[in-house]
Amino acid sequence: NAGVTQTPKFRILKIGQSMTLQCAQDMNHNYMYWYRQDPGMGLKLIYYSVGAGITDKGEVPNGYNVSRSTTEDFPLRLELAAPSQTSVYFCASSYLHPRSGVGEAFFGQGTRLTVV
Amino acid sequence: TQLLEQSPQFLSIQEGENLTVYCNSSSVFSSLQWYRQEPGEGPVLLVTVVTGGEVKKLKRLTFQFGDARKDSSLHITAAQPGDTGLYLCASSSNRNQFYFGTGTSLTVIP
Repeated sequence: NAGVTQTPKFRILKIGQSMTLQCAQDMNHNYMYWYRQDPGMGLKLIYYSVGAGITDKGEVPNGYNVSRSTTEDFPLRLELAAPSQTSVYFCASSYLHPRSGVGEAFFGQGTRLTVV
Repeated sequence: TQLLEQSPQFLSIQEGENLTVYCNSSSVFSSLQWYRQEPGEGPVLLVTVVTGGEVKKLKRLTFQFGDARKDSSLHITAAQPGDTGLYLCASSSNRNQFYFGTGTSLTVIP
């Protein structure tokens, strides 16, 4: 299994450009997430999804959009990129443990985005 | 959002030393998790604690969940350079959302 795959690994955008960060998982997990991580900081939740066709905002959704048309894919769209969106973006997927009810998040390797 | 504060933010120690990092909140959690993140990689789960007062061991790592389920600690015995990384605690909501602390960046010097 590949786990969670993110593309691209690196990208430089100019202010005002748009792009889509791709995320795919092959573990048949219902839950998927997008986080951003700024230098020296933890992860902030941007958007999450509890299943195909269902998405919800996290802590820092402004400037981003997502869609979840299939269980496997959860792309993150940046419209009108701004310097404040310079960050490392992580996609994750999760399941719920059948006994404890607590999931484990599996992360991709991240996309390092710079907006200039 | 469930605010998780971690301390210390940075820690640099010599190989063989012991250390403890902390994760604190004013909220009560049904569970807490610890992840380790190495440079250029995503976080990887180390442990989940679900019961107040619970202690779990993973080789040289000892995790404890506070009795009131508001805090947790991670103790590393005889640290090794391979322990270097960013240690993150995380809570999960009833919708399986994961909220992460600010992290402790550990460097173990050979």
